[in-house]
Parts: sequence; C-alpha cells; structure tokens
Amino acid sequence: DIQMTQSPSSLSASVGDRVTITCRASQSISSYLNWFQQKPGKAPNLLIYAASSLQSGVPSRFSGSGSGTDFTLTISSLQPEDFATYYCQQSYSTLITFGQGTRLEIK
Amino acid sequence: QVQLVQSGAEVKEPGASVKVSCKASGYTFTSYTIHWVRQAPGQRLEWMGWINAANGDTYYSQKFQGRVTITRDTSASTAYMEVSSLRSEDTAVYYCARGDSNNWQSAFGYWGQGALVTVSS
Repeated sequence: DIQMTQSPSSLSASVGDRVTITCRASQSISSYLNWFQQKPGKAPNLLIYAASSLQSGVPSRFSGSGSGTDFTLTISSLQPEDFATYYCQQSYSTLITFGQGTRLEIK
Repeated sequence: QVQLVQSGAEVKEPGASVKVSCKASGYTFTSYTIHWVRQAPGQRLEWMGWINAANGDTYYSQKFQGRVTITRDTSASTAYMEVSSLRSEDTAVYYCARGDSNNWQSAFGYWGQGALVTVSS
C-alpha cells in the first residue's frame, strides 16, 4: 500500500494568513494527487486534482504543487469558510489511499 | 446539475448485511466510474472500491474483498454497495463519489451526501 502522510495534523491560523499543508507519499505517485476539503457532517469537496489543477468553482486562493513523493496545498489568504479538515489522496496505485487529514482551526 | 443522492441511515446488528444506494442524475450515468469511500467516526477517509458504470467491471480494496459487493442498475442510474458480515468496526458514514471520467484514476469531483451505517446489538 502507498502510505500518505500529511503534516501538520492540526494547525491554528488567523483570517488572512498564508497556510501550507504538506503531503508525502511512501513511494513516487507522479502527479496522481488530489486535495479535498471536508467540513463537519459534510461530504468532502475536491479542491485540487492532478497535484496542481484547480477544480472548477474553487477559489483561486487555493493552489497545489509537487510531484513524485512531496506535495503541498497552499491557501494564500485564509477566509472564515476555509476552516475545515483537508485530505490528500493518491490514485496512482489501484489501492487508492488518503492522508490522515489536517485540521485547520481558527487561532 | 450533477447530483448523487444516497439512501438513508441504517442500524444493523452484527453479522447482518447492509445495502446502500446512490442515485445519479444530471449526467450520463454510464460515462463515469462510481467509487465508494467510508469514514468511521473521527477517522480518515477509506476507499473501498469502484465500478465502471458502463460495463459493470469492479475493483475492490483488498481489505474489503469478499465482504463488499458493488453493483449498478443502468436503467435506474443507480449504484449500490453491499457490505456483509457486519461488525462494529463497520460503523461509518458511507459515501459514493463520481470519478471525473470513466478512468478509475480520475478525481472524485462529485460526492453523495453520505449514509450513516451503525452496527450495534
């Protein structure tokens, strides 16, 4: 199995802050990396696909980068609605796996 | 607009089976894969398997092989996921998600609202 490890597991930040979340794969996954946002009691929402492509309708303050084993999700200026849990997910392997999540909280 | 509407919450006893449905609308059902993902309370998302809605081909996580069955009814634009021999660890919210093409590697752009399955005696 390809293990996906996110850091940090939780993060406190303020509105307007720039935030970066990292995701590391246990082996190379090329660019088969997606990022999701999940709010309590809701289904995940796709933000970034193929490591760096912004999903339609997602604000441009979200961006993704990386390839191989190391990836980042950046939120350029945090908005109140961005406080949520973020997950990375790989679809390189036939066994699709998710990271453990990063909980983004208000400072 | 694309919608995936899942069946409602279920409470089952250990050893029973549960079948969750996922009704699709707003797009051509047979043009995309459907994946199933679950989330136990406070846990990470866990991928279970997918179905090619066009030809019915399936692929399962080894963890669920033999205990999970994914099917579809093209006439009803509905996918189904059945879990047998339920145990308490299967208590979770079960989601269906649509891939953005008929390629299993495509991103999950649309999700159902989730169905809570509680396994308890």
